[in-house]
Amino acid sequence: GENVEQHPSTLSVQEGDSAVIKCTYSDSASNYFPWYKQELGKRPQLIIDIRSNVGEKKDQRIAVTLNKTAKHFSLHITETQPEDSAVYFCAAYRPGGTSYGKLTFGQGTILTVHP
Amino acid sequence: DSGVTQTPKHLITATGQRVTLRCSPRSGDLSVYWYQQSLDQGLQFLIQYYNGEERAKGNILERFSAQQFPDLHSELNLSSLELGDSALYFCASSPQVAGFNEQFFGPGTRLTVL
Repeated sequence: GENVEQHPSTLSVQEGDSAVIKCTYSDSASNYFPWYKQELGKRPQLIIDIRSNVGEKKDQRIAVTLNKTAKHFSLHITETQPEDSAVYFCAAYRPGGTSYGKLTFGQGTILTVHP
Repeated sequence: DSGVTQTPKHLITATGQRVTLRCSPRSGDLSVYWYQQSLDQGLQFLIQYYNGEERAKGNILERFSAQQFPDLHSELNLSSLELGDSALYFCASSPQVAGFNEQFFGPGTRLTVL
């Protein structure tokens, strides 16, 4: 099955710096890669996603890049703010047909942005 | 608010007991997923249901079972509870259109086994 590795497990940056989180996946059939942000005690929420036919996607201060050949994708946050502090999860979705498929999550990265 | 609801929010019980967690997906979503998140752990996929039928299984223990009802709500049953079952249990739903499946998470149920 799919295996998603996420690094680093913790990341500490100063406000205004950039943060980069990297993930690798094992199953070349995976075609959808969402990133979720989870604040303490709250639900994971989708912040950005990328499909396998796209190499890069940007939404304001957040961007995601995908290298299908190397099977890795990264989340880039620029001009970090204290409210960006949270746990970030990458995931890889392997389709299995119209009615099923599996989303495999990475282990998560605890991002702390210091004012 | 994602549109996915879960009840109860908190559950405290003793070892050996059985509990049922409930999830109502977003209107129109046919798929329901269950995840377990232990302290300092990531999201562990347990099981997926699509329109009432089991579709995918993850790391779900034999003591755990789930089902999805005709109205599409789902229940996760946890039995013979152990201390290690204490965790946050999330339900997520998706429309399950071919090729794309953003999952919307509910607020979770925090289970504490004493």
